[in-house]
Amino acid sequence: DADVTQTPRNRITKTGKRIMLECSQTKGHDRMYWYRQDPGLGLRLIYYSFDVKDINKGEISDGYSVSRQAQAKFSLSLESAIPNQTALYFCATSEGQPQHFGDGTRLSIL
Amino acid sequence: RKEVEQDPGPFNVPEGATVAFNCTYSNSASQSFFWYRQDCRKEPKLLMSVYSSGNEDGRFTAQLNRASQYISLLIRDSKLSDSATYLCVVNKGSTGNQFYFGTGTSLTVIP
Repeated sequence: DADVTQTPRNRITKTGKRIMLECSQTKGHDRMYWYRQDPGLGLRLIYYSFDVKDINKGEISDGYSVSRQAQAKFSLSLESAIPNQTALYFCATSEGQPQHFGDGTRLSIL
Repeated sequence: RKEVEQDPGPFNVPEGATVAFNCTYSNSASQSFFWYRQDCRKEPKLLMSVYSSGNEDGRFTAQLNRASQYISLLIRDSKLSDSATYLCVVNKGSTGNQFYFGTGTSLTVIP
């Protein structure tokens, strides 16, 4: 079983819909991160959390929110999805460094 | 200026060749450096950390040049399975929350 699991793996939805991406980990790491990856732009940090209830904005947090209710789970929400949020999303965990990534969620907003 | 810059390539090399990638970073206070490998549509996976003294893992050698603010990755005796995108990652902070990713360098090893 994967140490960092993301669900769903793929999602296609319409503009304006609320979307939640889930991340769970069995590594026991305190630190969790959400990134998005776009062609030619590399990975960009959306939000990160160093502990339960600890939430910090990353480089591109606008239009996103997160929840860290348990050490093992970190969810990312798009309250009202828009087409330019179409991307590959990765969750990552770390105990300091380096980071370990989930399999990714491919999200398409039509 | 981007925090981390890489030549996107693509690098197309024959099997058995030696290939090198460089990555430059803008912040001299950067503290930790890594190379990740990413296969098409898959998650990045840690290839190796980069230490100040340079380090080697089999056919892979990583080096850090703090004075010139770049890190390098050398792959010797390239295999078909080395075909992937190689991401340079720099951690600017001591608290582990400021990872910056390069856009990646694409490598294709040709039979």
